[in-house]
Amino acid sequence: EVQLVESGGGLVQPGGSLRLSCAASGFTFSSYWMSWVRQAPGKGLEWVANIKQDGSEKYYVDSVKGRFTISRDNAKNSLYLQMNSLRAEDTAVYYCARTTIPDYWGQGTLVTVSS
Amino acid sequence: QSVLTQPPSASGTPGQRVTISCSGSSSNIGSNTVNWYQQLPGTAPKLLIYSNNQRPSGVPDRFSGSKSGTSASLAISGLQSEDEADYYCAAWDDSLNVYVVFGGGTKLTVL
Repeated sequence: EVQLVESGGGLVQPGGSLRLSCAASGFTFSSYWMSWVRQAPGKGLEWVANIKQDGSEKYYVDSVKGRFTISRDNAKNSLYLQMNSLRAEDTAVYYCARTTIPDYWGQGTLVTVSS
Repeated sequence: QSVLTQPPSASGTPGQRVTISCSGSSSNIGSNTVNWYQQLPGTAPKLLIYSNNQRPSGVPDRFSGSKSGTSASLAISGLQSEDEADYYCAAWDDSLNVYVVFGGGTKLTVL
């Protein structure tokens, strides 16, 4: 059974940093593109970033370029999202998802950016 | 403002058939396949339809998808109360700086 479990969310002040993690199991992690998708409170889904199987290609939505970094550790079956210079508009539930157009999703982790 | 356009709401009575549309452009729906997701209240999205009209294992055949040109549709037949949820379409976009786009979501109410 495919499982994706996010962690690392929480309350952070504007300008602060946070690192999200996603532990994957139930499939061959190193064979799949992986993605982060977010959902602001009461709003729709927004793709944030994705990363190729070997980490050699990474893509980001314009609003996070230069602030967020997606990475992965295939030996640990883990996906990460380093978020710096956080803004109020980054407040959202962040989902880890398998493949570029997701087929499996984690349960999400809430990031709140507020003073 | 989402790149893919969906109606914000839809409704139907139990047993009815409802459709939800998703309108895009030549750079996304027009040249790539469409996925549909169901998001029940307070839960993560779940894949409902992939590659325009394919159902993952376990998804009832009451759910079907189609695509024509730059638009796609999700149809739900034999509507049930447990179908009340938010539905999203998604597609790859070939435009510069845009890779994956979602619709704004449609809230389906079962009356």
